[in-house]
Amino acid sequence: GAVVSQHPSRVICKSGTSVKIECRSLDFQATTMFWYRQFPKQSLMLMATSNEGSKATYEQGVEKDKFLINHASLTLSTLTVTSAHPEDSSFYICSARKGGSADTQYFGPGTRLTVL
Amino acid sequence: TQLLEQSPQFLSIQEGENLTVYCNSSSVFSSLQWYRQEPGEGPVLLVTVVTGGEVKKLKRLTFQFGDARKDSSLHITAAQPGDTGLYLCAPGRDDKIIFGKGTRLHILP
Repeated sequence: GAVVSQHPSRVICKSGTSVKIECRSLDFQATTMFWYRQFPKQSLMLMATSNEGSKATYEQGVEKDKFLINHASLTLSTLTVTSAHPEDSSFYICSARKGGSADTQYFGPGTRLTVL
Repeated sequence: TQLLEQSPQFLSIQEGENLTVYCNSSSVFSSLQWYRQEPGEGPVLLVTVVTGGEVKKLKRLTFQFGDARKDSSLHITAAQPGDTGLYLCAPGRDDKIIFGKGTRLHILP
């Protein structure tokens, strides 16, 4: 099966700093990548959809200036949490899809962000 | 966006028991997917059901798609501690996967 990796797996940062999370498709080219956030004991909430070479599409209520997404290549998307605050602490999960909506989405292992 | 309701939200049962969890909507789906997420990991796709009335089996897990393609169920036979996790359903073949709230299953040894 296709493999999606995330780096780092966990990160702790101070309030006010910015944190970058990487999502890579290791053995396939992903035309579309997705970013989710998951709070404890809750389901995954879709934050944004990113297509290689174009601007990300954010879900309603997600601040695009707060969560910067870059999908610079067919195998890499990054999520930068800017000026992080304790309420941004969460589990961030990416997924990647090779082609259109009929293709399977493969999920990464997640990144645990803790903002002190 | 098609909204999915999952029930129950939480379920804690003894090892060896059987259980069923549900995924319901008022919308019709072209297909529906079930995922399992273990603590600290990303979700893993278990199955995609496509045809109304379809039944798919994955070892002790039986997935059924409703005849009208508005609902689905997941039945686990003789649950084991390894079945513990968050079970999520989502419409398949959509531009983006929007998950239901999930059923958090805990199997007690």
